[in-house]
Amino acid sequence: EDQVTQSPEALRLQEGESSSLNCSYTVSGLRGLFWYRQDPGKGPEFLFTLYSAGEEKEKERLKATLTKKESFLHITAPKPEDSATYLCAVQAKNSGYALNFGKGTSLLVTP
Amino acid sequence: GAGVSQSPRYKVAKRGQDVALRCDPISGHVSLFWYQQALGQGPEFLTYFQNEAQLDKSGLPSDRFFAERPEGSVSTLKIQRTQQEDSAVYLCASSLVPLTGTDYGYTFGSGTRLTVV
Repeated sequence: EDQVTQSPEALRLQEGESSSLNCSYTVSGLRGLFWYRQDPGKGPEFLFTLYSAGEEKEKERLKATLTKKESFLHITAPKPEDSATYLCAVQAKNSGYALNFGKGTSLLVTP
Repeated sequence: GAGVSQSPRYKVAKRGQDVALRCDPISGHVSLFWYQQALGQGPEFLTYFQNEAQLDKSGLPSDRFFAERPEGSVSTLKIQRTQQEDSAVYLCASSLVPLTGTDYGYTFGSGTRLTVV
């Protein structure tokens, strides 16, 4: 059965203090690994899709990387507006198009 | 429309009542998903439509849950005889065609928060 585990559950950073969020996964045939950002009271907002080990994608202060077992979301010099819950999800080749989400990492960036 | 629209934003139901939640996907989007998100958890898949065809309903938790998309655009998620464990945010997501969702991500609505009392 596909599994997605995110760590830590919560993370508090000072503005400018870089860190990484982890997403460990097991899936029988990865079609894609997704990162989403979710603000309180809103739906998830798409950030990245990664398809194969070794792939990296960047967007502003965020960089996502992928290995065969895990993905990291690196946040460089975060700002308070980066505070949100970050969700990781996998899509398996043999299970339709459903995304299997982790529980998320709640990030708080303080000034 | 510019995004995925869900209504109502909030719904309070008495235990045993039936509820209907509406999703207006982005115009022209073929794929439509429903997810359930409990407090402090990630979204959990409920069901998937491609146009009007319900291709996957493996995530619906019981036969009290029913979804339809009769004309391939607007979708309704119906929950019969609501119970307290049904309290959650119900999210709808859409994409132009199934696999473009992988490149551009599926676009989510803001959800309907259902509270069963």
